[in-house]
Amino acid sequence: EIVLTQSPGTLSLSPGERATLSCRASQSVSSSYLAWYQQKPGQAPRLLIYGASSRATGIPDRFSGSGSGTDFTLTISRLEPEDFAVYYCQQYGSSRTWTFGQGTKVEIK
Amino acid sequence: EVQLVESGGGLVQPGGSLRLSCAASGFTFSSYSMNWVRQAPGKGLEWVSYISSSSSTIYYADSVKGRFTISRDNAKNSLYLQMNSLRDEDTAVYYCAREGITFGGVIVLYYFDYWGQGTLVTVSS
Repeated sequence: EIVLTQSPGTLSLSPGERATLSCRASQSVSSSYLAWYQQKPGQAPRLLIYGASSRATGIPDRFSGSGSGTDFTLTISRLEPEDFAVYYCQQYGSSRTWTFGQGTKVEIK
Repeated sequence: EVQLVESGGGLVQPGGSLRLSCAASGFTFSSYSMNWVRQAPGKGLEWVSYISSSSSTIYYADSVKGRFTISRDNAKNSLYLQMNSLRDEDTAVYYCAREGITFGGVIVLYYFDYWGQGTLVTVSS
């Protein structure tokens, strides 16, 4: 079973700053099967990025994804007030099973 | 507009049963695979179960295998999760999520593109 480890656990930044979130897999993952989600308190997760680098419909271009193999990154180029949330990476494994990372909280500094 | 609305959550004693429902609208339900994902209080996301569009393929997380049963009724645009032998650690918000697919040449991309608002299941004596 592939384990996804996200770092850091918490990122304290100010609006306007750049956020770089990491997702590391315990073994190589196909980029086609790597997605990122944003979750705000009391809300369902929202799809941001799929296929490691494709933005979902309606997602601002300040969000970008990159990476391959075991190392993937979600970058928020300039943080807006509404971007402070928890972010999860997700990978699709064998037999149609899915794994999530433990999440990175982006909080206001 | 795509909508997924879960229902059926509540308080249940350990060892008890509960059936969750997810009502889908705004898309051709019978064309999409569906999943259940849960989130324990203050914790991260955990995938629970998958069902293909025709119900021909079903998978479960090891943590619920043998106790939970996923099903769907395409005529009613509904997804279900029958939960038996519930344990304290099953306490969570349960979300239904649509599995989106994008075909990019020989590559197929999978992701969860729409989620319901969740329904809370509390297992406690």
